Amino acid sequence: NFMLTQPHSVSESPGKTVTISCTRSSGSIASNYVQWFQQRPGSAPTTVIYEDDQRPSGVPDRFSGSIDRSSNSASLTISGLKTEDEADYSCQSFDSNNRVVFGGGTKLTVL
Amino acid sequence: QVQLQESGPGLVKPSETLSLTCTVSGGSISSHYWSWIRQPPGKGLEWIAYVYYRGPTNYNPSLKSRVTISVDTSKNQFSLNLTSVTAADTAVYYCARGGMYDSGPRYWGQGTLVTVSS
Repeated sequence: NFMLTQPHSVSESPGKTVTISCTRSSGSIASNYVQWFQQRPGSAPTTVIYEDDQRPSGVPDRFSGSIDRSSNSASLTISGLKTEDEADYSCQSFDSNNRVVFGGGTKLTVL
Repeated sequence: QVQLQESGPGLVKPSETLSLTCTVSGGSISSHYWSWIRQPPGKGLEWIAYVYYRGPTNYNPSLKSRVTISVDTSKNQFSLNLTSVTAADTAVYYCARGGMYDSGPRYWGQGTLVTVSS
């Protein structure tokens, strides 16, 4: 099976743009959709991106998702950072048997 | 807007069976994929299993021998049974709804903490 590797933590200032990566260890990142979840401390996860680059209703367009075949990775980009964006972000995809695989999560600090 | 609510015991003894139910409101369970996901304290998300409303299931290989997931369309609920629990099964357990064609979570329940302890 494969792993999804994320940076343990990232930090950026309010108003700036941050990108969180999610690298697939084997197999093509384009083979299966990638989802992204936001989890604020003490709260349940919420979905901010599904099917690589789709935003659920209610998610600001400051959040965007993409995949890069050359680096075999997916990315979540948050522009115009706000303090309320401070949270853990996790990526998720599927293996060849449609089983769910999560990345380890990235702690975003907005300071 | 669909809403999901987990219910079940917050404390389970070692070697016993953990049983949780997810009640779905604001939509029918007779469509989409339905999943259980857990998060041990201070750790990342771990997928447990999913079920499609018509019955096909899929399980995390590391848990497969101990897990059963099922759907009750008459009650608009789906359930999780995890047998022979140990302290390593202590976690917040989330239920989630996926898409119509894939199980990637779209909507999440608020989660319920289950502690395994004697």
